[in-house]
Amino acid sequence: DVKVTQSSRYLVKRTGEKVFLECVQDMDHENMFWYRQDPGLGLRLIYFSYDVKMKEKGDIPEGYSVSREKKERFSLILESASTNQTSMYLCASSSQGSGTEAFFGQGTRLTVV
Amino acid sequence: GQNIDQPTEMTATEGAIVQINCTYQTSGFNGLFWYQQHAGEAPTFLSYNVLDGLEEKGRFSSFLSRSKGYSYLLLKELQMKDSASYLCAVTPWSGGYNKLIFGAGTRLAVHP
Repeated sequence: DVKVTQSSRYLVKRTGEKVFLECVQDMDHENMFWYRQDPGLGLRLIYFSYDVKMKEKGDIPEGYSVSREKKERFSLILESASTNQTSMYLCASSSQGSGTEAFFGQGTRLTVV
Repeated sequence: GQNIDQPTEMTATEGAIVQINCTYQTSGFNGLFWYQQHAGEAPTFLSYNVLDGLEEKGRFSSFLSRSKGYSYLLLKELQMKDSASYLCAVTPWSGGYNKLIFGAGTRLAVHP
């Protein structure tokens, strides 16, 4: 059974903290993505990676960074958490090529207080 | 720019047919996906269209018109378990990275 696993289901962090969200996939996929999902806004792409150590900004990268040291792992980093980063964060992975579906993790509900 | 529009909410009756529309304007186009997301769960893949026309998969069908920037998802013989959000997503041409640009999603409520 294919799987994308996010390290935490729920997180509560304080304003200004550095936050790490981890995502691991077991499908040997080249592409990995971080989205945030907010009511009325849908899923918005933060960053994606198409290979180890490669990364590209998505639509809303401000306040975030990413790391991909190994093919199976893609980390999202909030350098200094703020309350407007309270959201549901979804990791996804897909293989290269047209039309390949993305597989999503269960999501991390992050609350910044 | 990128813009994907779909209705916010829809309601339907068990056993009926419902059509969820999606219009898009994106810089480049390499296919359109539909995903289903139950409350509190991860999105799961339903369909992919890259050529004009209708793709049928059991109770679900998806249609694409590239010239009109339009797609719809058709759900037949609705069941209570079809109550979920339906997400339209477009892949702009990005060299095979399959980056997905999502609409805000349509929340479908199926009533007995």
